Amino acid sequence: QVTLKESGPVLVKPTETLTLTCTVSGFSLSDARVAVSWIRQPPGKALEWLAHIFSNDAKLYSTSLKSRLTISKDTSKSQVVLSMTNMDPVDTATYYCARMLIDGNGYNYWAFDYWGQGTLVTVSS
Amino acid sequence: QSALTQPASVSGSPGQSITISCTGTRSDVGTYNYVSWYQQHPGKAPKLIIYDVNKRPSGVSIRFSGSKSGNTASLTISGLQAEDEADYYCSSYTASSTVVFGGGAKVTVL
Repeated sequence: QVTLKESGPVLVKPTETLTLTCTVSGFSLSDARVAVSWIRQPPGKALEWLAHIFSNDAKLYSTSLKSRLTISKDTSKSQVVLSMTNMDPVDTATYYCARMLIDGNGYNYWAFDYWGQGTLVTVSS
Repeated sequence: QSALTQPASVSGSPGQSITISCTGTRSDVGTYNYVSWYQQHPGKAPKLIIYDVNKRPSGVSIRFSGSKSGNTASLTISGLQAEDEADYYCSSYTASSTVVFGGGAKVTVL
């Protein structure tokens, strides 16, 4: 059974760095057909893709947030970590991690087939 | 990367069919078939219902179908049911090797 679960602080202060952890089960981050993204959703607003990490450690970032984001993984712990620097109240959102849909032949559909439950992060002093 | 354009709301009566549009550019929807659709009920995580423009994941109702023409993708819900009331988001791969989502469309079953 594939599951993803986000964890991290519920409240951060402006200018602080946010660090979120996504713990996965039911699949291995070392599998060549695995990739994980972080996606966020401000309250009442749309989804926004943030970053992506592949099994070979290749990384992709949102163009607008690239300077503030770092994604990494610890395969032994089955965890994907996202760091976002210089947090601002506009970064208040539910942050999701999600697995990319990649078929048995390694074909990447750039769609997200499994999602975590999300974690609400509020930025406030 | 600008968000894909979706109507803010779409409504229909039970049993009817509705279509939600998703308009992008030649840099995303117009060039790539990596268009996906997600259903999100209040307080829940999004659920993948269409990928690769028109493919349904296992377990997703055949009432959901997708298509694309030019820079615009569409999601059609046939035989509208009360449980279909939710927010729907489209997404696309982009020429910048990123993913862009639409602004979301709220579906109301009258």
